[in-house]
Amino acid sequence: GNSVTQMEGPVTLSEEAFLTINCTYTATGYPSLFWYVQYPGEGLQLLLKATKADDKGSNKGFEATYRKETTSFHLEKGSVQVSDSAVYFCALSRETSGSRLTFGEGTQLTVNP
Amino acid sequence: DAGVIQSPRHEVTEMGQEVTLRCKPISGHDYLFWYRQTMMRGLELLIYFNNNVPIDDSGMPEDRFSAKMPNASFSTLKIQPSEPRDSAVYFCASSFVSYEQYFGPGTRLTVT
Repeated sequence: GNSVTQMEGPVTLSEEAFLTINCTYTATGYPSLFWYVQYPGEGLQLLLKATKADDKGSNKGFEATYRKETTSFHLEKGSVQVSDSAVYFCALSRETSGSRLTFGEGTQLTVNP
Repeated sequence: DAGVIQSPRHEVTEMGQEVTLRCKPISGHDYLFWYRQTMMRGLELLIYFNNNVPIDDSGMPEDRFSAKMPNASFSTLKIQPSEPRDSAVYFCASSFVSYEQYFGPGTRLTVT
């Protein structure tokens, strides 16, 4: 079946540090891959997505590249801000299952000033 | 568009009472999802609908939970009777065809 594995958290960084949150997946065929972000007290919001191999999704300074050879979709940002503190979820979907998402466990990020 | 609307935002009830959570998806979306989020279990998919028809309810914890979608613009998640272990944040999300899901702000349920 489909599954998503994220690096364990929590992650604590200082402002302007480089961020990487690892995500690997297991799925047959060619899933679409997503990163969602959840700010405190809010619902999940789509951060970025990639629908085919070698695609790079980017938004708000975050980016992730769909690597089929390593079945990975790692999230990166060159310089984090305090406002990036949130929980980040990696997810995949298969066309054969409509838009049902398989989520990773989530990674809590705290950025200190 | 106003996005996915959930009500109430907060609900506090006593054990044994019936609880009804409501969701209005984004207009034109044909998928609707109900999730539960807790610290212990993370984000769990409870049930989802396609064109108002339940497709997979395997995540519904037990018979105390039921969900309906009488039309394309409204869905309910009901818990009867409620128990303290049902305390969680319940999210509704909607999507169009196989595109990304849009989440509502959630309902924080506390059962005492």
